[in-house]
Amino acid sequence: DVVLTQTPPTLSATIGQSVSISCRSSQSLLHSNGNTYLNWLLQRPGQPPQLLIYLVSRLESGVPNRFSGSGSGTDFTLKISGVEAEDLGVYYCVQSTHAPYTFGAGTKLELK
Amino acid sequence: QVQLTESGPGLVHPSETLSLTCTVSGFSLTGYSVYWVRQPSGKGLEWMGRMRYNGDTSYNSALKSRLSISRDTSKNQVFLKMNSLQTDDTGTYYCAGSFDYWGQGVMVTVSS
Repeated sequence: DVVLTQTPPTLSATIGQSVSISCRSSQSLLHSNGNTYLNWLLQRPGQPPQLLIYLVSRLESGVPNRFSGSGSGTDFTLKISGVEAEDLGVYYCVQSTHAPYTFGAGTKLELK
Repeated sequence: QVQLTESGPGLVHPSETLSLTCTVSGFSLTGYSVYWVRQPSGKGLEWMGRMRYNGDTSYNSALKSRLSISRDTSKNQVFLKMNSLQTDDTGTYYCAGSFDYWGQGVMVTVSS
C-alpha cells in the first residue's frame, strides 16, 4: 500500500503568515491515465473533512485562492498564503491513484 | 444539492458485526463512487473502502478480511458491514462521495 508521510505534524502560525505542508509518497502517484490523484483536505474541529485541492493543484469550488497545491510524482506541497483564523484545523493529504487509497497522518495548524 | 447521511447503531458489543447505511441524494450511485472513512477519537482519518460507480469494490488491506461494502441503487444507499468488532474500532464513521462530499459522520462505540 502507498504510504503518505506528512510534515510537519504540527504547525504554529500567526494570522497573515504563509505556511507550507509537505506530503511525500512511497511511490509515484502518477496514474497510467496521466492524472495524479493527490488531494488535500481540511478538517476543522468537530466537523467532517472538506476537500480543498484535487489533482495536486486544482482548487475546489468555493475554496479561497490563498490555498495552493503543487508537486509531482512523490513530492507534494500545500501552501497557505496568509493564514486566516478560519484555516485552523488538521490538514490531510490523501491519494486516490492506487487502491487501497491512503491518508497522510495529518498536520495540525494552530495559532501561535 | 448533494447530501450523504450515515445511520447505524451507536453501540456495538465486542465480537459483533457493525452495519452502517449511507443514504445519498443529489447524485446517482451509478455515476459517483462512495467511500467509507473512519476516525478514532482524537486521531487521523483511515480510508476503509469504496463502492465504485460501476459496482466495483476495494478495501483497506488491514480491514478486508472482515469488511464488506454493498449498495442498493434503487434506494440510493451504500452499506458497510464489518465483523468481529473490537474496542479499537470505536470512532466516527463517515461516508463520502469520492472526497468531494462528506456526511456528518456517525459515532460508533464498541463496548460491552
